[in-house]
Amino acid sequence: EDQVTQSPEALRLQEGESSSLNCSYTVSGLRGLFWYRQDPGKGPEFLFTLYSAGEEKEKERLKATLTKKESFLHITAPKPEDSATYLCAVQARPGSYQLTFGKGTKLSVIP
Amino acid sequence: KAGVTQTPRYLIKTRGQQVTLSCSPISGHRSVSWYQQTPGQGLQFLFEYFSETQRNKGNFPGRFSGRQFSNSRSEMNVSTLELGDSALYLCASNSASGEREQFFGPGTRLTVL
Repeated sequence: EDQVTQSPEALRLQEGESSSLNCSYTVSGLRGLFWYRQDPGKGPEFLFTLYSAGEEKEKERLKATLTKKESFLHITAPKPEDSATYLCAVQARPGSYQLTFGKGTKLSVIP
Repeated sequence: KAGVTQTPRYLIKTRGQQVTLSCSPISGHRSVSWYQQTPGQGLQFLFEYFSETQRNKGNFPGRFSGRQFSNSRSEMNVSTLELGDSALYLCASNSASGEREQFFGPGTRLTVL
């Protein structure tokens, strides 16, 4: 059974204080690891897909990395508008879009 | 490019009733997926459709069903509602190109009293 564990559950940062979110996964055959951002009352917003160990992707203040067992979402010099819940998910089933999600990390950036 | 549309946005039902939720995917996308999101369990996969065929189903009871129409619009139905069915139901429009990402709609908030 595919499993995804995210840590920490919640994180409070001062504006400009860089940090990382962790996503550990157990899957039989990884086809893709996805990061989403979710604001309260809204659906998840796609951020990145990573496919193989060693891959990195960047978007503004966010950088996602992938190893064989975990992924990190690095947030550099965060701003209050980066406050949201960040979700990690794995796609493993051939021929299917099915995602297995972690419970998420709720990030709060304090001005 | 229009996003994913879900209707209704909010629903209040009582135990034992049934409910139908609707999803219109992004134009050109032929596959949709449905997820249930609750505070305790997070996001859990319900089912996936491609060109009107259910391709994959999650671990939910038979009270949860769905279908997809020839225009790619999808509906999901929950019969004999239970209190535990209260959740945010999310529809995702699946891209066949690029990074195979799923674009989520705003969800339907179902409350069962």
